[in-house]
Amino acid sequence: LAKTTQPISMDSYEGQEVNITCSHNNIATNDYITWYQQFPSQGPRFIIQGYKTKVTNEVASLFIPADRKSSTLSLPRVSLSDTAVYYCLVGVYNQGGKLIFGQGTELSVKP
Amino acid sequence: DAGVIQSPRHEVTEMGQEVTLRCKLISGHNSLFWYRQTMMRGLELLIYFNNNVPIDDSGMPEDRFSAKMPNASFSTLKIQPSEPRDSAVYFCASSLDRVSGNTIYFGEGSWLTVV
Repeated sequence: LAKTTQPISMDSYEGQEVNITCSHNNIATNDYITWYQQFPSQGPRFIIQGYKTKVTNEVASLFIPADRKSSTLSLPRVSLSDTAVYYCLVGVYNQGGKLIFGQGTELSVKP
Repeated sequence: DAGVIQSPRHEVTEMGQEVTLRCKLISGHNSLFWYRQTMMRGLELLIYFNNNVPIDDSGMPEDRFSAKMPNASFSTLKIQPSEPRDSAVYFCASSLDRVSGNTIYFGEGSWLTVV
């Protein structure tokens, strides 16, 4: 199982771009990288997923270098409502792996 | 689609009582996960099923915990007897098993308090 390492917490201000980096040095060839967001009192919510290079959707961008040993979630122009815990996951559960959540990064956006 | 539906949303029970948590998968999904979340241990994977078959239950804490999928769209997680240390939020999640990556969708959770 590819273990992930993320910063425990980050602070930002409204309107700023936030980049959260996740390290996964022993990522396997078949592993995908997935990010989830969790608000208090809610279940985690899928944000974005990628395998290599760059992926962008209406919520965020995901940057993955060629060696895939890390990934960076980029949130453009955050608002107060982006205050949440962000989890980086690596794995492919349907090939015998498991989706294991680490401790996540607690992002606090201030006015 | 209504998403993953869990019940009850909140339950307070006395130590020693049986607790049954329920989950309805998103229509068409064939994988089911049970997670437990506490402040101390974060999100822990308890068990997951694929096509109604338990694939990995190594995260189940002990024999007091059991999970079933009586059909393709429904699952239960049972704790018998319950203990105060079982107090946590229990999340159910479902996914469509496919080769090219996967996304799991979580329910809103069942908040369990054992006193």
